[in-house]
Amino acid sequence: NAGVTQTPKFRVLKTGQSMTLLCAQDMNHEYMYWYRQDPGMGLRLIHYSVGEGTTAKGEVPDGYNVSRLKKQNFLLGLESAAPSQTSVYFCASSYSTGTNQPQHFGDGTRLSIL
Amino acid sequence: RKEVEQDPGPFNVPEGATVAFNCTYSNSASQSFFWYRQDCRKEPKLLMSVYSSGNEDGRFTAQLNRASQYISLLIRDSKLSDSATYLCVVRRSNTGNQFYFGTGTSLTVIP
Repeated sequence: NAGVTQTPKFRVLKTGQSMTLLCAQDMNHEYMYWYRQDPGMGLRLIHYSVGEGTTAKGEVPDGYNVSRLKKQNFLLGLESAAPSQTSVYFCASSYSTGTNQPQHFGDGTRLSIL
Repeated sequence: RKEVEQDPGPFNVPEGATVAFNCTYSNSASQSFFWYRQDCRKEPKLLMSVYSSGNEDGRFTAQLNRASQYISLLIRDSKLSDSATYLCVVRRSNTGNQFYFGTGTSLTVIP
């Protein structure tokens, strides 16, 4: 019963390096989301997708790109990592509609940029 | 005005106490309501959905007041394991069914 799986769990990068975070869900959810959470702060939406092949910007999209080539996968890319992107990144997914259909979260990726 | 507002706390209560958290939301188009629990450095986990008539799950009771745009969570007989941050979440239909999170209320249950 995997749910939402994020890889990697931890990563340390140097400033200027690039990397991709992978999110996979096996619940056939239409919507997928990427959030970041910094100490003492709430979740902030980076990008989201309402379906395969579609993406949209959230609250804090700068410095990130995303792709949703397959319904079950949502990739978050950092083209040129900066120390300000040190954070915990959470992926989530949900059904598109339906009363009381919640978001389901992955267990996070802890990313440090040196 | 923030979409979802919560008292950040912290709430420090003794074991066995009853504690209540409140949350207000700003948009009347909000359709679905949830309480999530987040442990330190872990992912948010669904605690319970909040139904219009109110609902209970063991020691946890959630209430919704649509007229006042207000949601509450009551925890009875607090356990040490209830220590966490509690997030109030609403889902709004007129923004493509997006979710909006409060910043959370911190609870510490003291032995």
